[in-house]
Amino acid sequence: SQTIHQWPATLVQPVGSPLSLECTVEGTSNPNLYWYRQAAGRGLQLLFYSVGIGQISSEVPQNLSASRPQDRQFILSSKKLLLSDSGFYLCAWVKVSKGSYNEQFFGPGTRLTVL
Amino acid sequence: DAKTTQPPSMDCAEGRAANLPCNHSTISGNEYVYWYRQIHSQGPQYIIHGLKNNETNEMASLIITEDRKSSTLILPHATLRDTAVYYCIRSFGNEKLTFGTGTRLTIIP
Repeated sequence: SQTIHQWPATLVQPVGSPLSLECTVEGTSNPNLYWYRQAAGRGLQLLFYSVGIGQISSEVPQNLSASRPQDRQFILSSKKLLLSDSGFYLCAWVKVSKGSYNEQFFGPGTRLTVL
Repeated sequence: DAKTTQPPSMDCAEGRAANLPCNHSTISGNEYVYWYRQIHSQGPQYIIHGLKNNETNEMASLIITEDRKSSTLILPHATLRDTAVYYCIRSFGNEKLTFGTGTRLTIIP
């Protein structure tokens, strides 16, 4: 069976500090991977998605970046955090297959508070 | 732009059927309607999807109008654990999902 992990679960960081959030998927190969952010009381906003190693698409301009160094690893980073980066960060994966819908599976999330 | 319209909140009595509406009047012919839900402080969970026909699984039923401009998610016997935010999403199937603000469903004991 497939599982998705995210860490850390919670994080409190000062403004201007760097950030690294990690997401790994087990039990599948060559998934599409996604990073979402959910601000307090808001819907999910897609930040990045990746269809393969080293392939990253950005959905919104921001001071965050993403990388996919391995097939099942997706990393979200920032060099200098802003207050507006606070939120609930969710990683998701999809197994792409032709001719069929693809349910997205979400990780447990990381709650980031920037002070 | 979520491209779907949902009521911001709804209440339903425990044990009754919860009917959550969604408007997607500009949906294209090969876009699916997906439903996800998010329980507080967790990641979203897939519920059901459909294209044209009504669908049913162990969690819910999805009723899509003949013109496909709207749909209704039905939880047949709501329990307290069904309290969550429910998202109606249109998608071609294997691409990124655009989540709106959804409907906050509260099940009343």
